[in-house]
Amino acid sequence: ELKVEQNPLFLSMQEGKNYTIYCNYSTTSDRLYWYRQDPGKSLESLFVLLSNGAVKQEGRLMASLDTKARLSTLHITAAVHDLSATYFCAVDRTGTASKLTFGTGTRLQVTL
Amino acid sequence: DARVTQTPRHKVTEMGQEVTMRCQPILGHNTVFWYRQTMMQGLELLAYFRNRAPLDDSGMPKDRFSAEMPDATLATLKIQPSEPRDSAVYFCASGLGTGAPEETQYFGPGTRLLVL
Repeated sequence: ELKVEQNPLFLSMQEGKNYTIYCNYSTTSDRLYWYRQDPGKSLESLFVLLSNGAVKQEGRLMASLDTKARLSTLHITAAVHDLSATYFCAVDRTGTASKLTFGTGTRLQVTL
Repeated sequence: DARVTQTPRHKVTEMGQEVTMRCQPILGHNTVFWYRQTMMQGLELLAYFRNRAPLDDSGMPKDRFSAEMPDATLATLKIQPSEPRDSAVYFCASGLGTGAPEETQYFGPGTRLLVL
């Protein structure tokens, strides 16, 4: 059974600081997703990471994938309040963007 | 702006009642997913369809849940009879279903279900 673990589960950080969210998964996969969810809202796709060593960046967020270590990271640079949300990683079990197993989520709170 | 739509957005019902949730996928997407989100279990895949055919419903309690796609623009998830433990947010998502490198799933706004 595929397990996807994120840490930390909750992260409170000050504006302007840097931090990293970690996503570990238990079986091989070549496709990993990061999603954002605002409170009471839907999920928004942030990144799709496809291969070992993949790195993608959008604004203050940068995601990377190490398939050998079965690890993905979401790095936040110089956090701003608007980044406050819950971030999920999800692993594709089929390679066809179908059966996603989601991590527990990391609730990020950026304080002034 | 293409979006997945879901109705109703909120539903309060009593235990034992039938609940029907509806989803309209993004036009042109041939894969539809149903997820359930709870505080305890997180996000779970219940079932998914491709070209209206069910591919996997292993995440769905079979005795009370059923999912169908009557046509390419409508997916339904039914619970009969509903129980308090079914209280959750149910998300529908859709995707192109090609397995292309950048393919992702697009989520609807969710149906927030409360069973009393």
